[in-house]
Amino acid sequence: DTEVTQTPKHLVMGMTNKKSLKCEQHMGHRAMYWYKQKAKKPPELMFVYSYEKLSINESVPSRFSPECPNSSLLNLHLHALQPEDSALYLCASSPDSSSGNTIYFGEGSWLTVV
Amino acid sequence: AQSVTQLGSHVSVSEGALVLLRCNYSSSVPPYLFWYVQYPNQGLQLLLKYTSAATLVKGINGFEAEFKKSETSFHLTKPSAHMSDAAEYFCAVSPSGFQKLVFGTGTRLLVSP
Repeated sequence: DTEVTQTPKHLVMGMTNKKSLKCEQHMGHRAMYWYKQKAKKPPELMFVYSYEKLSINESVPSRFSPECPNSSLLNLHLHALQPEDSALYLCASSPDSSSGNTIYFGEGSWLTVV
Repeated sequence: AQSVTQLGSHVSVSEGALVLLRCNYSSSVPPYLFWYVQYPNQGLQLLLKYTSAATLVKGINGFEAEFKKSETSFHLTKPSAHMSDAAEYFCAVSPSGFQKLVFGTGTRLLVSP
């Protein structure tokens, strides 16, 4: 089972709302990722968790707050977002954070900020 | 910093024709290289990856890629295009030391009947 599950698939939120994106994998992977993909652009790394600890934050604004409650779950908490934050948010996982591991992506959550 | 360059934002082929999508990497040491495909409104799916075990890498859906160190290339090919191959294709590199995918700008493959 090589599956990363993301919910919700679509989310519309106002600039004052607080919402969360959720991600789950049951492959026993110990590294999990959040990527952001704008329309017609490649995915860009936001955060990396390795063994439930945040190991990379690519200078992401604090209105995005990641959380890794356990080895299977990854959340992205959203607060006071801007319209330019509208994008596809992709969760991914890999066996560990060593270079060369295959990274498995979810279907993504489409976020629209109004 | 390690990066990849994809030549051609769009490639158009006829069904049954050869598919060639180009990717060049910049690295002083052989990196880990990947090709991912993204169908409309979906996430990314791994097609194949190079990890130095073999220079010719076979992937899913009939795709393959050849690592050429002398040309710093990792082009993706498929002998015969199918309509279902129409998608966005991303070449990516994983810099040594840590798992972080750096993607190229992508190539949209258009397949006409």
